[in-house]
Amino acid sequence: ETGVTQTPRHLVMGMTNKKSLKCEQHLGHNAMYWYKQSAKKPLELMFVYNFKEQTENNSVPSRFSPECPNSSHLFLHLHTLQPEDSALYLCASSQESGGGREQYFGPGTRLTVT
Amino acid sequence: GDSVTQMEGPVTLSEEAFLTINCTYTATGYPSLFWYVQYPGEGLQLLLKATKADDKGSNKGFEATYRKETTSFHLEKGSVQVSDSAVYFCALSPRNFNKFYFGSGTKLNVKP
Repeated sequence: ETGVTQTPRHLVMGMTNKKSLKCEQHLGHNAMYWYKQSAKKPLELMFVYNFKEQTENNSVPSRFSPECPNSSHLFLHLHTLQPEDSALYLCASSQESGGGREQYFGPGTRLTVT
Repeated sequence: GDSVTQMEGPVTLSEEAFLTINCTYTATGYPSLFWYVQYPGEGLQLLLKATKADDKGSNKGFEATYRKETTSFHLEKGSVQVSDSAVYFCALSPRNFNKFYFGSGTKLNVKP
């Protein structure tokens, strides 16, 4: 595998379910990100991890719980979601913090909450 | 604060037409600038970048020049193809902060 991979690619879940999204980067990067992309809305940064430590949480509801066990893996645990949480969830990675670095994106997980 | 503004779409062009998608930015200091492309059903792919004033990023026939005097980073292509139909995002990253600011995206439709 190369680049940034995400699984599953598609997920349908009920509001009472618990599921997890997985992201893995094969680029040797130290920073990882979760974004939410909804129709007709700008990309929303959700969480940032640098060297496994969470450095940013953009007021994301607690029903989204990230986990970063190492610099290569990032998870987003989901529980009791709402229909408005249906969106494309994108994972990205970059070299260490310091700014000016490009981010590399995975293909995304298309989430539908019923 | 830092931000990116890009032209609203959709932009509809015929094949072989000239493309310009405008992008302007607000930033303190000297950010790096990027263009990303998102094809239907996929994530964002880095298209090109520029890290300092007057740099020209280029890839796959697309070009953009970092213009500090006009705080712009317009995307251009001399002859678009149907396969270029996608959403294009302009973005910036400040030099000293691990942050990324994306524009709202411009959808390009190229007709045969």
